[in-house]
Amino acid sequence: GAVVSQHPSRVICKSGTSVKIECRSLDFQATTMFWYRQFPKQSLMLMATSNEGSKATYEQGVEKDKFLINHASLTLSTLTVTSAHPEDSSFYICSARATSGSRSSYEQYFGPGTRLTVT
Amino acid sequence: GENVEQHPSTLSVQEGDSAVIKCTYSDSASNYFPWYKQELGKRPQLIIDIRSNVGEKKDQRIAVTLNKTAKHFSLHITETQPEDSAVYFCAAWTTGFQKLVFGTGTRLLVSP
Repeated sequence: GAVVSQHPSRVICKSGTSVKIECRSLDFQATTMFWYRQFPKQSLMLMATSNEGSKATYEQGVEKDKFLINHASLTLSTLTVTSAHPEDSSFYICSARATSGSRSSYEQYFGPGTRLTVT
Repeated sequence: GENVEQHPSTLSVQEGDSAVIKCTYSDSASNYFPWYKQELGKRPQLIIDIRSNVGEKKDQRIAVTLNKTAKHFSLHITETQPEDSAVYFCAAWTTGFQKLVFGTGTRLLVSP
């Protein structure tokens, strides 16, 4: 149980184009999802917190107009990287918190990540 | 906001030895401290966690200790095996900001 999927796992796009990454909680409902970015040999950096039905909360330094987040349902959040540039190349990971039930409300369940390469 | 420091950045041990990774946090309101293992190109995997009302937790070869007064927590791995080689991250959940803040990571290498 507590499975989070991400799609695509890898994507290569050209500079200036947009890319959408999907994050789904498969067997539980998640009111809150988190989007992280991880550069090689670095830690996970939180980009934004996504709450179902409301606007995402972005971390300082993260451009909300560039990284569009939509959390339209309790099982799906999307991250769209707009006008991508080579410096946006990174490993993007989502996570989800269970709303209620037997699962710990503290624990975050991570997706497998999306490797974005912008050429 | 919360700041989590992690040491060491790299740790090399011989198979069978113990490994200890230490983290400190700044926000006294943080109340949940997970540890993750991440292999190259993979998602972080929760290996153990501890809440602020507990001082120590153990799961087979892995244990975590928490000192709330000093605001530090540690991961202990005993009888290390080559498959323990990975990057380990500590994290702290800040109740005020409702988010996980990660440490900088420790690259553990267990040599046979």
